[in-house]
Amino acid sequence: LAKTTQPISMDSYEGQEVNITCSHNNIATNDYITWYQQFPSQGPRFIIQGYKTKVTNEVASLFIPADRKSSTLSLPRVSLSDTAVYYCLVGYQTGANNLFFGTGTRLTVIP
Amino acid sequence: EAQVTQNPRYLITVTGKKLTVTCSQNMNHEYMSWYRQDPGLGLRQIYYSMNVEVTDKGDVPEGYKVSRKEKRNFPLILESPSPNQTSLYFCASSYTGDREQFFGPGTRLTVL
Repeated sequence: LAKTTQPISMDSYEGQEVNITCSHNNIATNDYITWYQQFPSQGPRFIIQGYKTKVTNEVASLFIPADRKSSTLSLPRVSLSDTAVYYCLVGYQTGANNLFFGTGTRLTVIP
Repeated sequence: EAQVTQNPRYLITVTGKKLTVTCSQNMNHEYMSWYRQDPGLGLRQIYYSMNVEVTDKGDVPEGYKVSRKEKRNFPLILESPSPNQTSLYFCASSYTGDREQFFGPGTRLTVL
C-alpha cells in the first residue's frame, strides 16, 4: 500500500526557516504533491502544490527533486501562529482516485 | 462565500442507531470525499466520489455508506454505528481528486 512518510514532530524558534520533508517512494507519473496545514479542531487548509522542481507562493516553497520520491516544504521565518500539523498528500493514480494523507508533522514554534 | 458545510458539528449517539452526516459544497466541485481523523492515525479517507452517482471506497470504508445523487451533496451514512466509529469527520471537495481540497469544519461524533 503506497503511503507517505513524514517526521512526527519538529520544533523551531520564531524567525527561523523550517523545512519538512515527505517521502513518497511510490509516486506515479501523473501525481501532484500537495501540502496542507491543520490547526486543532479545524479542517486542513491548502498551503501549496507542485509537480516537479520548485514552487513558491506567498506563504511557502515546495522543493521536489528530479526523481520525485520526496518533497520538502519550506516555511520561511516561522511565527508562533505557524504552530500546526502539516500534511503531505500525494494523489496516487492507481486507476482509482483515493488519496493518502501521511500522519502529519506537528510543528511547534517556540518564542 | 465558497465553502463546504457539514451538519451536525457535534453528535453523541448510541450503538446501532442509524445516523447521517450531511456535507454540501457550493463550488460546483466534481470530487468530494470523507475522512476520519483519530489521534496518532492522521487523516484517513473513508469514501470518495468523482462525480454524481460515482462513488468508491477509500482507505477505511467498513461501516460507512455514502451517496452522491446531486453534485453539491455527499452525505455519510452510518447504518449501525459502533464505538470504534467515534472520531472527528471531515468532508472535502475539489475540482479533481489531485487538486486543492476544501475542507468542511468537521463533525465530532461520539458513539456510546
